[in-house]
Amino acid sequence: AQSVTQLGSHVSVSEGALVLLRCNYSSSVPPYLFWYVQYPNQGLQLLLKYTTGATLVKGINGFEAEFKKSETSFHLTKPSAHMSDAAEYFCAVSDRGGGFKTIFGAGTRLFVKA
Amino acid sequence: NAGVTQTPKFQVLKTGQSMTLQCAQDMNHEYMSWYRQDPGMGLRLIHYSVGAGITDQGEVPNGYNVSRSTTEDFPLRLLSAAPSQTSVYFCASRRGGGETQYFGPGTRLLVL
Repeated sequence: AQSVTQLGSHVSVSEGALVLLRCNYSSSVPPYLFWYVQYPNQGLQLLLKYTTGATLVKGINGFEAEFKKSETSFHLTKPSAHMSDAAEYFCAVSDRGGGFKTIFGAGTRLFVKA
Repeated sequence: NAGVTQTPKFQVLKTGQSMTLQCAQDMNHEYMSWYRQDPGMGLRLIHYSVGAGITDQGEVPNGYNVSRSTTEDFPLRLLSAAPSQTSVYFCASRRGGGETQYFGPGTRLLVL
């Protein structure tokens, strides 16, 4: 069975500092991997995804993530945090090849200090 | 395109009442799903549909019913509301063969 673990339910960084949100997954088959962002009182919005090809994936708002098969990780990074990055971030995994069910992590709330 | 829309935005129910959460999408997506979001638990799949007339259970289906009579609409019915169903409910859709889900803005439900 697939599962997703996000390390740290809350992460706090200063504006301009590196953002690192950790995600580890387990899957018996090569998965699709996603990061979604949720701003207060809104739905989830896709930040980036890995399906195939290059393991370093770039997303919106300057975020990127690297798929590391050997570490079963898909950590999200951004070189310089902005106040507008304050939100909740969800890592998710789903099967390749038409599998429907997407499993979400518990989420990490990012706080950005001025 | 309006994308995925959900109504109502907020609802208060008494224990035992029934209600329907509405979800509609105008992207002609085959796949639609319902999730509930609870603090510290991420999103959990309640029910999903891979096309009109086809639905299946997700991770937490008990107490909920769905139907899919058209491609556009995927309502979620609470048969007899319980306080444990207090949550935020999200509807999502994606095209068949696609990977990306598109989420609605959510319905916040409080069951007293």
